[in-house]
Amino acid sequence: EDQVTQSPEALRLQEGESSSLNCSYTVSGLRGLFWYRQDPGKGPEFLFTLYSAGEEKEKERLKATLTKKESFLHITAPKPEDSATYLCAVQAGDRDDKIIFGKGTRLHILP
Amino acid sequence: KAGVTQTPRYLIKTRGQQVTLSCSPISGHRSVSWYQQTPGQGLQFLFEYFSETQRNKGNFPGRFSGRQFSNSRSEMNVSTLELGDSALYLCASSQLGSPYEQYFGPGTRLTVT
Repeated sequence: EDQVTQSPEALRLQEGESSSLNCSYTVSGLRGLFWYRQDPGKGPEFLFTLYSAGEEKEKERLKATLTKKESFLHITAPKPEDSATYLCAVQAGDRDDKIIFGKGTRLHILP
Repeated sequence: KAGVTQTPRYLIKTRGQQVTLSCSPISGHRSVSWYQQTPGQGLQFLFEYFSETQRNKGNFPGRFSGRQFSNSRSEMNVSTLELGDSALYLCASSQLGSPYEQYFGPGTRLTVT
């Protein structure tokens, strides 16, 4: 069964303390992996799309990487405004292009 | 470019009633997907519409239905509401491709009492 698992469920960091969030997936025929940021009471905000193993993308303090089994979202020197839930999703080619979301990592950056 | 808009933003209904939620996609986007988000289950896919046709459907009962109009606007309907239907309902639009990026609206918070 296609599955997306994110870890940890929650993470508290001090401002400036770098870390990584993990998204592991088991799908057939990965077409794309997506990262979103969601603030409380709002819809998810698109961050990145990764298409193939070895690909990397960066945006400000965030860097996403992809392997054949997992993706990492690296957060370098985070600030309190980076606090949010980060969602990972995959689009599998053999599921009629359905998109499957993980349950997210709640990130809290302490000032 | 205007983002995805959803109306209403908040809704309180009673068990047994029905509800209709509306979504206007980003201009030029022809695909609209609907998701239910709850603290326990996370984001769960309801259905996707493209060019007024349902393209994909998630594992939800028949009480959940949707439609898309010729201008790409979409509505979803939930009949015979249950307490467990309380959730944030999110609409996302995209330009259909493979893979494709979805842009979400702010959601409609539905509370069933």
